[in-house]
Amino acid sequence: KAGVTQTPRYLIKTRGQQVTLSCSPISGHRSVSWYQQTPGQGLQFLFEYFSETQRNKGNFPGRFSGRQFSNSRSEMNVSTLELGDSALYLCASSPSGDTTYGYTFGSGTRLTVV
Amino acid sequence: DQQVKQNSPSLSVQEGRISILNCDYTNSMFDYFLWYKKYPAEGPTFLISISSIKDKNEDGRFTVFLNKSAKHLSLHIVPSQPGDSAVYFCAASASGGTSYGKLTFGQGTILTVHP
Repeated sequence: KAGVTQTPRYLIKTRGQQVTLSCSPISGHRSVSWYQQTPGQGLQFLFEYFSETQRNKGNFPGRFSGRQFSNSRSEMNVSTLELGDSALYLCASSPSGDTTYGYTFGSGTRLTVV
Repeated sequence: DQQVKQNSPSLSVQEGRISILNCDYTNSMFDYFLWYKKYPAEGPTFLISISSIKDKNEDGRFTVFLNKSAKHLSLHIVPSQPGDSAVYFCAASASGGTSYGKLTFGQGTILTVHP
């Protein structure tokens, strides 16, 4: 059974650009969550999608957005990149979004903004 | 406002001994707690979890204890093995619609198990 797949693994962007990250959840999982990990703030929740609808959102500016497709694959987009957006972006999937069923994480996309 | 805290940034243990990792939380709405293990350049891997209706859960070498009155949980690893060396994250969630998909993580504890 394939795990959660995130692409690309590494990305270098210039300040002011935008970036799109992709996440393919485990087959059959309909909920996808995104997290940002930085040395200073740790792991922080960005948003959660279920059946193409955003059900929950963390405290991030509107430059951070996402979407989910009918096959449950998800993308997140960051516009007008800032140096502080450099982080490891993690995607996690679960069958329903109920955290008691556990979330399986991907290996992440390391974004560096220069 | 850090709702989940792991006050020990690092812990060093001898192989075969017990490792105890601690976690405190402040949000009374949290009713489910999880421990994840993370190696560099990989995503967190689920280890063990506990519901607020229990005070202990075991899975092999891993046991999680929950003290609701103290808002404290701990992860015990017995016996510790060098392969357990990793960053351990405590996470919490609250039931209800506003909590879909949201885990609140602690800052992590780096565990090093020496042979």
